[in-house]
Amino acid sequence: AQSVTQPDIHITVSEGASLELRCNYSYGATPYLFWYVQSPGQGLQLLLKYFSGDTLVQGIKGFEAEFKRSQSSFNLRKPSVHWSDAAEYFCAVGASHYGQNFVFGPGTRLSVLP
Amino acid sequence: GAVVSQHPSRVICKSGTSVKIECRSLDFQATTMFWYRQFPKKSLMLMATSNEGSKATYEQGVEKDKFLINHASLTLSTLTVTSAHPEDSSFYICSASHQGANEQFFGPGTRLTVL
Repeated sequence: AQSVTQPDIHITVSEGASLELRCNYSYGATPYLFWYVQSPGQGLQLLLKYFSGDTLVQGIKGFEAEFKRSQSSFNLRKPSVHWSDAAEYFCAVGASHYGQNFVFGPGTRLSVLP
Repeated sequence: GAVVSQHPSRVICKSGTSVKIECRSLDFQATTMFWYRQFPKKSLMLMATSNEGSKATYEQGVEKDKFLINHASLTLSTLTVTSAHPEDSSFYICSASHQGANEQFFGPGTRLTVL
């Protein structure tokens, strides 16, 4: 069965600093990988996704993620964090684009210092 | 586009009563809808997958008689928590997708509190 780990429960960075959120997955086939952000009182928003092709994926809000098959990782990065990026971030793996056999990681809470 | 709504956003009920949560796709026809449960400070757990006009497929460990899912139309799915108990208190989130979509679209969630 597939699984997702996010080793960091909570990360605090200063505004303007760079960010990397880690994600490791276990999946028996070629995975569909996703990063979502959840802000208080709001639904999950898709930041980016990877299915195939270029292993460096660009998303919304200046985020990017790199798929590394050898490390079973899909880490999320942003070169300069804004205060509005404070939220909960979830990595997820699935068997398709749209939700089949979807498994979310435990989430990483990001706090941003002014 | 691709907006999913949930109603109610928050509900409080007494133990033993049943609660219905609606999930609607507002601007597309959702051939597939998913229901998730999120515990406090925890991740989302997929409860079930429902396809329009057919019975929902429940994940292992989810009681289908407790969490009744109906997907009667291409824009509406409902989750009914029957005989709710305090341990059913949680944040329930639905998502929807359609043929040709390459992602699922999430609703804002419903906070259920059972007293």
